[in-house]
Amino acid sequence: GENVEQHPSTLSVQEGDSAVIKCTYSDSASNYFPWYKQELGKGPQLIIDIRSNVGEKKDQRIAVTLNKTAKHFSLHITETQPEDSAVYFCAAFLRGTSGSRLTFGEGTQLTVNP
Amino acid sequence: GAGVSQTPSNKVTEKGKYVELRCDPISGHTALYWYRQSLGQGPEFLIYFQGTGAADDSGLPNDRFFAVRPEGSVSTLKIQRTERGDSAVYLCASSLRSAGGGETQYFGPGTRLLVL
Repeated sequence: GENVEQHPSTLSVQEGDSAVIKCTYSDSASNYFPWYKQELGKGPQLIIDIRSNVGEKKDQRIAVTLNKTAKHFSLHITETQPEDSAVYFCAAFLRGTSGSRLTFGEGTQLTVNP
Repeated sequence: GAGVSQTPSNKVTEKGKYVELRCDPISGHTALYWYRQSLGQGPEFLIYFQGTGAADDSGLPNDRFFAVRPEGSVSTLKIQRTERGDSAVYLCASSLRSAGGGETQYFGPGTRLLVL
């Protein structure tokens, strides 16, 4: 099955700085990579996603890059704001013989200090 | 429109009891997923429905766990003879369909289960 590793587990930045979170996956057949933001007591909320036929995608202050050869993808947040503070999860989608599923990383606790 | 809803939001039960957790997916979404999230970890896949059938239940930890989706909309996750280790947040997600290319999954707020 798929295995997703995420780094760092915690990240603290000053307001206005950039934040980068990195993930690696193990199964080259994975073809869809979403990123979720989870605030305390809430469910994960999709913030951006990328498919395997694209190398980079940007949405305002958020961007994601994908390197299929190296099997890693990254989340970039620019001009961070205190409301960006949350836990961020990367995930990889794999369709296999036993079904289709998302495999999540362990999460990154991002703290943006005012 | 309305998102994925889950009830109850919190459930406290005693070891050995039976619990049911409910998920109402986004209207029109044919794919429904259940995940379990332990404290400080990412969600872990439990089961996936495409329509009324469980297309993949390989993530269910043992035979105490069972889920149904009889009419292809609402789903219920059932846990028999609960154990303290079952304490976690149970998340439900739905997507428009589950094609080979992956579809965006929208998550509900979760049910926080505590087994005493």
